[in-house]
Amino acid sequence: DGGITQSPKYLFRKEGQNVTLSCEQNLNHDAMYWYRQDPGQGLRLIYYSQIVNDFQKGDIAEGYSVSREKKESFPLTVTSAQKNPTAFYLCASSIEADSGADTEAFFGQGTRLTVV
Amino acid sequence: AQSVTQPDIHITVSEGASLELRCNYSYGATPYLFWYVQSPGQGLQLLLKYFSGDTLVQGIKGFEAEFKRSQSSFNLRKPSVHWSDAAEYFCAGAQYGNKLVFGAGTILRVKS
Repeated sequence: DGGITQSPKYLFRKEGQNVTLSCEQNLNHDAMYWYRQDPGQGLRLIYYSQIVNDFQKGDIAEGYSVSREKKESFPLTVTSAQKNPTAFYLCASSIEADSGADTEAFFGQGTRLTVV
Repeated sequence: AQSVTQPDIHITVSEGASLELRCNYSYGATPYLFWYVQSPGQGLQLLLKYFSGDTLVQGIKGFEAEFKRSQSSFNLRKPSVHWSDAAEYFCAGAQYGNKLVFGAGTILRVKS
């Protein structure tokens, strides 16, 4: 079945450590996204990528980094510079970004990161 | 700035009652509009979307939404709510594609 896989589902990190969240899709989508979800704040865009080897900052990119070396993969690294990293992280993909086409974003099941 | 507002943080309805979740948008031009549903600890599932054309949009699970340009609204409705509809609902908008802007979400509780 086609879809988006995020791993792990739960992740614990000590303060001061970097951690990488995995996102893989087999939908052959060009665009991929990372969102952060906090209670009562909806989803906020961290980074997005419209094509391999290219990505752009979203609204809350500080303290995060990404790479897009393969079409299928868009890992997110939460660095020690992120002041409040405990949150639920969602990865999404779509056929294209900024296409104007009749399309939609598909979401993974999320990773809950807790800093201990 | 582009924004999507969901005025209700929580809504409680009785099973079998009708439901309306409110969504207002602020964009320079008519955006693409979406409603998503999220069960606890899960990802988001698309319920329906509006791009153009008929202003009443039918979605999955018996949901529908009506686009009203004059009110800048895209409210989600369901004629009869089931206990399994309890979840968090997000309205989202985008221009020129898929950089979605989400509302803060509305948590729906269903009482039996």
